[in-house]
Amino acid sequence: AQSVTQPDIHITVSEGASLELRCNYSYGATPYLFWYVQSPGQGLQLLLKYFSGDTLVQGIKGFEAEFKRSQSSFNLRKPSVHWSDAAEYFCAVGVNDMRFGAGTRLTVKP
Amino acid sequence: EAGVAQSPRYKIIEKRQSVAFWCNPISGHATLYWYQQILGQGPKLLIQFQNNGVVDDSQLPKDRFSAERLKGVDSTLKIQPAKLEDSAVYLCASSGRLAGGPNEQFFGPGTRLTVL
Repeated sequence: AQSVTQPDIHITVSEGASLELRCNYSYGATPYLFWYVQSPGQGLQLLLKYFSGDTLVQGIKGFEAEFKRSQSSFNLRKPSVHWSDAAEYFCAVGVNDMRFGAGTRLTVKP
Repeated sequence: EAGVAQSPRYKIIEKRQSVAFWCNPISGHATLYWYQQILGQGPKLLIQFQNNGVVDDSQLPKDRFSAERLKGVDSTLKIQPAKLEDSAVYLCASSGRLAGGPNEQFFGPGTRLTVL
């Protein structure tokens, strides 16, 4: 069965610092992978997705993610975090039967 | 392009009462999903519709939850009777076919339900 693990429940970084959010997945076939962001009281917004091809995926708001099949990982990165990036981040796998991780809450220090 | 609409945004009820949520998907999207997101957790799929037919309702607690999608457009999710553990955000999403690729889901703002 497919599943997603986000090992970090909460991460705090300083504004301007780099960010990496971890995601590990379990999936029986070629995975379709997503990162979503959720601000308080809001729905989920898609940051980026991986279906096939180049394993380094560029998304919105300066985010990128790298698919590593050997490590079953799809980590999200941003070189310089802005205060407005504070939110909850969810990794997901699958398409119609999408499974979400439990999320990582990002706090940005001034 | 208008996004996925949901109403109400907030609802407070007492246990054993009933409640209904409404979702209007993006125009032309054939697939509609309802998710339950409990505080501190990721969204969990409750039910998926393809047009007005159910594709997957394996995680829907059918003794108290029901959903319909008449005419393949709008959808309602009902809980009757509600329990304390139903307190959550209920998210609706829709997806349409992308040329050459699988579907991408677009999410509404959600309905936050509090059961007292």
